[in-house]
Amino acid sequence: NAGVMQNPRHLVRRRGQEARLRCSPMKGHSHVYWYRQLPEEGLKFMVYLQKENIIDESGMPKERFSAEFPKEGPSILRIQQVVRGDSAAYFCASSTSMTGGMETQYFGPGTRLLVL
Amino acid sequence: QKEVEQNSGPLSVPEGAIASLNCTYSDRGSQSFFWYRQYSGKSPELIMSIYSNGDKEDGRFTAQLNKASQYVSLLIRDSQPSDSATYLCAVNGITQGGSEKLVFGKGTKLTVNP
Repeated sequence: NAGVMQNPRHLVRRRGQEARLRCSPMKGHSHVYWYRQLPEEGLKFMVYLQKENIIDESGMPKERFSAEFPKEGPSILRIQQVVRGDSAAYFCASSTSMTGGMETQYFGPGTRLLVL
Repeated sequence: QKEVEQNSGPLSVPEGAIASLNCTYSDRGSQSFFWYRQYSGKSPELIMSIYSNGDKEDGRFTAQLNKASQYVSLLIRDSQPSDSATYLCAVNGITQGGSEKLVFGKGTKLTVNP
């Protein structure tokens, strides 16, 4: 499967626990974007990363949320001390390193986070 | 604040008809425009991309872009029940640090009735 991979597909956490969401981009893609989709809402950009660099985190909540894309391994979105309002679908998308506004982002299957 | 607006629907069309989905955007600097299809409980799937004014056709799908009017649309010809889904309009433009983050509309829910 050469597509974007995310795991886990479903994650249940109790309030105050930590959630770790993982994303492996498509083969040949070096750009990773994280989006969040709240129930009955559109997708909202959270963060854009390249290997070992956070390029744009303008959509990340200021507290409890962090992201990384290490040199080796998947990108990780980490949510500390989860609250019920964090319950959502979290999608990762990847793209190539094309510039000039022509990148196409391909989405992974998403992680559905439920906070009890 | 960059915004993308879509009619939320639901839009209901009979099988075989043309479905017309519309989208407007606020940022004149936007360069790339995308239509994604999202089935309930699934991830967005790219349907069409368009970068220049005019029409772009791919099978039963035609995307139309008018940058002067800040308007992009998607036509689905010979609609099938399997086209029933939420259609997301997405717009990007080069921003902070070269980020090409997508700004999405809330989506239009399409139902094709057999």
